[in-house]
Amino acid sequence: DTGVSQDPRHKITKRGQNVTFRCDPISEHNRLYWYRQTLGQGPEFLTYFQNEAQLEKSRLLSDRFSAERPKGSFSTLEIQRTEQGDSAMYLCASSFGTDSYEQYFGPGTRLTVT
Amino acid sequence: RKEVEQDPGPFNVPEGATVAFNCTYSNSASQSFFWYRQDCRKEPKLLMSVYSSGNEDGRFTAQLNRASQYISLLIRDSKLSDSATYLCVVTQPMDTGRRALTFGSGTRLQVQP
Repeated sequence: DTGVSQDPRHKITKRGQNVTFRCDPISEHNRLYWYRQTLGQGPEFLTYFQNEAQLEKSRLLSDRFSAERPKGSFSTLEIQRTEQGDSAMYLCASSFGTDSYEQYFGPGTRLTVT
Repeated sequence: RKEVEQDPGPFNVPEGATVAFNCTYSNSASQSFFWYRQDCRKEPKLLMSVYSSGNEDGRFTAQLNRASQYISLLIRDSKLSDSATYLCVVTQPMDTGRRALTFGSGTRLQVQP
């Protein structure tokens, strides 16, 4: 399978704990995006990378959230001191080139904060 | 006001029916437009791009009206497998450097036998 992969697929954590998610984009895709989706809503943009550079961050990305893409390949999204409001599906997407908006999404990581 | 607005539905239609969804966007400078499809508990997948001249892909026709800032999707001869949520997507102009997709909340379609 050469699509976008995400790990884990599901995560249940207690409020206050830290969690980290991983995304592996389609190989050779230089752009990687993180979105968050809650029930009944469309995905909301969090941040994106071009290679290893983080080029844009949404105001949704509070200081408890951090994302990295250290070698321009896989990316991690960490949420510190989780809150119940962080419960959502976290989607990763990738795209190729600088002019394309066509993004391919991974299956997502469903986070439940209890 | 949301950047992209859609009727959440659900639209319940019989097999073989024609159904149309509309979507409005608030930023007149928006550059590119898409329809994505999302099945229950799955990731969004690109259905088609939307052009001012209108474009068709099999039973699906998309149209953009820049003057009125709305986008439409028409599905002819609905199949059971068309049941899904259809997400309207807009983007910012390329020269802003912003590459994020802005999604509507989606319109749910349920095709019934």
